[in-house]
Amino acid sequence: NAGVTQTPKFQVLKTGQSMTLQCAQDMNHNSMYWYRQDPGMGLRLIYYSASEGTTDKGEVPNGYNVSRLNKREFSLRLESAAPSQTSVYFCASSEQGRGDGYTFGSGTRLTVV
Amino acid sequence: AQRVTQPEKLLSVFKGAPVELKCNYSYSGSPELFWYVQYSRQRLQLLLRHISRESIKGFTADLNKGETSFHLKKPFAQEEDSAMYYCALSPWEYGNKLVFGAGTILRVKS
Repeated sequence: NAGVTQTPKFQVLKTGQSMTLQCAQDMNHNSMYWYRQDPGMGLRLIYYSASEGTTDKGEVPNGYNVSRLNKREFSLRLESAAPSQTSVYFCASSEQGRGDGYTFGSGTRLTVV
Repeated sequence: AQRVTQPEKLLSVFKGAPVELKCNYSYSGSPELFWYVQYSRQRLQLLLRHISRESIKGFTADLNKGETSFHLKKPFAQEEDSAMYYCALSPWEYGNKLVFGAGTILRVKS
């Protein structure tokens, strides 16, 4: 009953370093998402993938790139980390179709110093 | 633009007291609305959706299109209800993407 699995759970980066956050789901969902969670701002959509082979920008895509490797996996890459990217990152998946509830991963707490 | 407003960052109530977590949305179309909950050290999970008109863990939420609100209510709060609650909107033109509010921390005191 893994659902959505994110790795790593914690990470500290120096400014300018790069890293990739990994996300995998085993529910055969078509749609996957990356959100960041910041105090007082809720969850903001970074990128999403409506289906395998497609990706689109969300509300706050600057400084990030994504890859939908296959139906299961959706990774988020920070090419040159900045302190403003310190946040908790959540991956989620859902069936296509409006209104379907999301299944979230446990999150990655990223600190950029 | 679509927006979800949760005016209270923190709501603190005593056990057994009624709870109302406020949510207002800005959207001109026909909305789909959700409440998500995040308990301490757990992942975010769906609590309820307005189209289901269900009651989960004693919580209910009614969509009021006139007031553009979707407040979450429970008549008698329990300590285990303490958590972060997010209201979310799924606008039609957004497909299956969700717009989240800033969240409200509910603390139930004994």
